[in-house]
Amino acid sequence: KNQVEQSPQSLIILEGKNCTLQCNYTVSPFSNLRWYKQDTGRGPVSLTIMTFSENTKSNGRYTATLDADTKQSSLHITASQLSDSASYICVVGTRTDKLIFGTGTRLQVFP
Amino acid sequence: DSGVTQTPKHLITATGQRVTLRCSPRSGDLSVYWYQQSLDQGLQFLIQYYNGEERAKGNILERFSAQQFPDLHSELNLSSLELGDSALYFCASSVGVQSLYNEQFFGPGTRLTVL
Repeated sequence: KNQVEQSPQSLIILEGKNCTLQCNYTVSPFSNLRWYKQDTGRGPVSLTIMTFSENTKSNGRYTATLDADTKQSSLHITASQLSDSASYICVVGTRTDKLIFGTGTRLQVFP
Repeated sequence: DSGVTQTPKHLITATGQRVTLRCSPRSGDLSVYWYQQSLDQGLQFLIQYYNGEERAKGNILERFSAQQFPDLHSELNLSSLELGDSALYFCASSVGVQSLYNEQFFGPGTRLTVL
């Protein structure tokens, strides 16, 4: 069964600190992995998209990594800001054009 | 602002009723996707339309239906509503059918409350 699991479920950090969110997947046939940021009550916004041949991709203070062998991805946030408070969703796309969504990590950044 | 618009923003109705949610995709996008997000749950893909035709189906109930019109806007119809249908409903659009770099842009969502 295709599944995407994210950890931790929630995370609290202080402003300025770094953090790393994890995503493990069992999806076949794998095509790509995406990270989205979703502010409360709003639609998700794409942060990164990676194929199996890419093992890292950055978008400003966000850096995603992908290990296609172990089927793991991480999203690293550097020098967190209050505006980073949101849910971060890992999404795996298949070669048959299906998207499998994780349930997200809820990040709260406090001053 | 993603360029995808959804109306209404909020909808409160009673069990057994029928509602219609509307989505206008970004200019130039041919694909429209509908998602359901229940409280504290992940996004569930419901259905995709591409240039007026159904392209893919996800976990969409038989009580739900959708269509995409010639002007590319889409409507999601929910009927015989149950309490469990209360959720955020998102529409997303993309340029073409889903592919590797075909990014989806999400609308602001419609919050449906069934009492």
